Amino acid sequence: GENVEQHPSTLSVQEGDSAVIKCTYSDSASNYFPWYKQELGKRPQLIIDIRSNVGEKKDQRIAVTLNKTAKHFSLHITETQPEDSAVYFCAAVNTGFQKLVFGTGTRLLVSP
Amino acid sequence: EAGVTQSPTHLIKTRGQQATLRCSPISGHTSVYWYQQALGLGLQFLLWYDEGEERNRGNFPPRFSGRQFPNYSSELNVNALELEDSALYLCASSLGSGEEETQYFGPGTRLLVL
Repeated sequence: GENVEQHPSTLSVQEGDSAVIKCTYSDSASNYFPWYKQELGKRPQLIIDIRSNVGEKKDQRIAVTLNKTAKHFSLHITETQPEDSAVYFCAAVNTGFQKLVFGTGTRLLVSP
Repeated sequence: EAGVTQSPTHLIKTRGQQATLRCSPISGHTSVYWYQQALGLGLQFLLWYDEGEERNRGNFPPRFSGRQFPNYSSELNVNALELEDSALYLCASSLGSGEEETQYFGPGTRLLVL
């Protein structure tokens, strides 16, 4: 089955810096890769996603890149703000089976 | 448009009891998913229902079960509760297999087993 590894587990940056979170997956049949942000005590919120026919996607300060050959994908946050502080989860999905396989999460702390 | 809703928000049970958790998907969504988020751990897939049928199941014992109703709402039942079942149970919904994969999460039910 699918296995997703996520690094780092914690990431501390200064406001205005960039943050990068990396994930690798094992199942080459996975074709959909969402990223979720979970603030303390709240539900996971989808922040960006990418499909296997796309190499990069950007939405304002957030971008995701996908390397299908190497089976890894990354989340990039530029100009970080304190409100970006949260736990970020990557996930991989084989849309034939629909279950999200999550990475173990990255706790991002942005200091003012 | 209302998001995914779950009830109750909190549930306290003792070992050996049964727990029932409920989920209402976003209007128009036919697929419902259940995930377990234990403290300090990530999200683990439990079950996927679509059009009233169980489509996929994670690596959980049979005492975790559920169903989906004709209105697409869903129930998760956990029998013979164990202490390690204490966790946040999250429900998510999507438009349905083959249409749109994006899953939207509810606020969760926090289950505490004493």
